[in-house]
Amino acid sequence: RKEVEQDPGPFNVPEGATVAFNCTYSNSASQSFFWYRQDCRKEPKLLMSVYSSGNEDGRFTAQLNRASQYISLLIRDSKLSDSATYLCVVNIPEDNNNDMRFGAGTRLTVKP
Amino acid sequence: ETGVTQSPTHLIKTRGQQVTLRCSSQSGHNTVSWYQQALGQGPQFIFQYYREEENGRGNFPPRFSGLQFPNYSSELNVNALELDDSALYLCASSMRGQGAEEQYFGPGTRLTVT
Repeated sequence: RKEVEQDPGPFNVPEGATVAFNCTYSNSASQSFFWYRQDCRKEPKLLMSVYSSGNEDGRFTAQLNRASQYISLLIRDSKLSDSATYLCVVNIPEDNNNDMRFGAGTRLTVKP
Repeated sequence: ETGVTQSPTHLIKTRGQQVTLRCSSQSGHNTVSWYQQALGQGPQFIFQYYREEENGRGNFPPRFSGLQFPNYSSELNVNALELDDSALYLCASSMRGQGAEEQYFGPGTRLTVT
């Protein structure tokens, strides 16, 4: 099983739609979770950290389900500018290290 | 902008050559991580440097090595380049010891090996 798995998509949605992405992780000891967005040929940019209680930032909501070992990202009222690849990131705690593992990304295209 | 810089932006090398990529971390950050991203894939963790020592390594051979300097900047060295080393190389800086350790990426170096 991969350490971090995402549905690669692509997700093609109309403007204004609500879209949700899931990401599963294999290490039950993982404690830190993030969502990044990456535009074509650009570096990943931090979108939001994911907290145990769930968190919201405007149109974006992130949730963590420790029992099932997955995190989710919900985007409401999609905008054209939301078109990007969304990367899930999970820490892999080993010894005193805190390595991060990225999923392969989910591609979103928002259409007019 | 994140304040993380990388050089060079683009690089073309020949198989068998060696390359050094550079990264300056964000002010106040003490940890640098390096990633390799092939086209259409997520970033793959190479290694992390903290306090000038390697502090975690992904599944990469020893010909991938690095350094971190007292000012927290870092270098990634790749020896005996192979065609499959062609990728975007990203560095990310973070502050160890501050909770969830959010990482901030530089713009990357695009390496082409011919």
